[in-house]
Amino acid sequence: KAGVTQTPRYLIKTRGQQVTLSCSPISGHRSVSWYQQTPGQGLQFLFEYFSETQRNKGNFPGRFSGRQFSNSRSEMNVSTLELGDSALYLCASAQGAQNTEAFFGQGTRLTVV
Amino acid sequence: AQTVTQSQPEMSVQEAETVTLSCTYDTSESDYYLFWYKQPPSRQMILVIRQEAYKQQNATENRFSVNFQKAAKSFSLKISDSQLGDAAMYFCAPYTGTASKLTFGTGTRLQVTL
Repeated sequence: KAGVTQTPRYLIKTRGQQVTLSCSPISGHRSVSWYQQTPGQGLQFLFEYFSETQRNKGNFPGRFSGRQFSNSRSEMNVSTLELGDSALYLCASAQGAQNTEAFFGQGTRLTVV
Repeated sequence: AQTVTQSQPEMSVQEAETVTLSCTYDTSESDYYLFWYKQPPSRQMILVIRQEAYKQQNATENRFSVNFQKAAKSFSLKISDSQLGDAAMYFCAPYTGTASKLTFGTGTRLQVTL
């Protein structure tokens, strides 16, 4: 069974640009969560989707958005990139409505210059 | 809001020895899950062990076990017979259904020496 796949693995963007990150969950998993990891703030929750519905959103500005498709794949978008958005973005998938066993992808390393 | 405290930024253990990583958390929920995740240099977050809060029995997974003290809101991880491959950052993370999210601690960096 394939694991959680995040693309791209690495990305370099310029300030002011926008970026879209993709996450394909494990087959059969319907929940997808996104986390941002930085040296200063650690791991912070961005948002969580279940069956195409956003169930929770972390304390991030509106520049951060996401969505989930009918096949459970998810994308997150960051508009008007800032230097502080440089981070490792991790996606996790879980089978049911309760994330009682979440599996993570390898992450997307975003660098904003 | 949930808070998670991992008071040991770094720990070191000799190969084949036992080490315990501590974690305390705060939640107003009565039903929740607790997880330990491992993040090696590859940055892949790997699930080590989980504990259901309603279960009194401590979870074990091969060389990994937890000491769950619900009243004290403490959830420590014990690694027995430590191996070089155990070297990583370890994160404690409770999960509640109402929040639909994991709340991570700041992590403990574990070094394993020969």
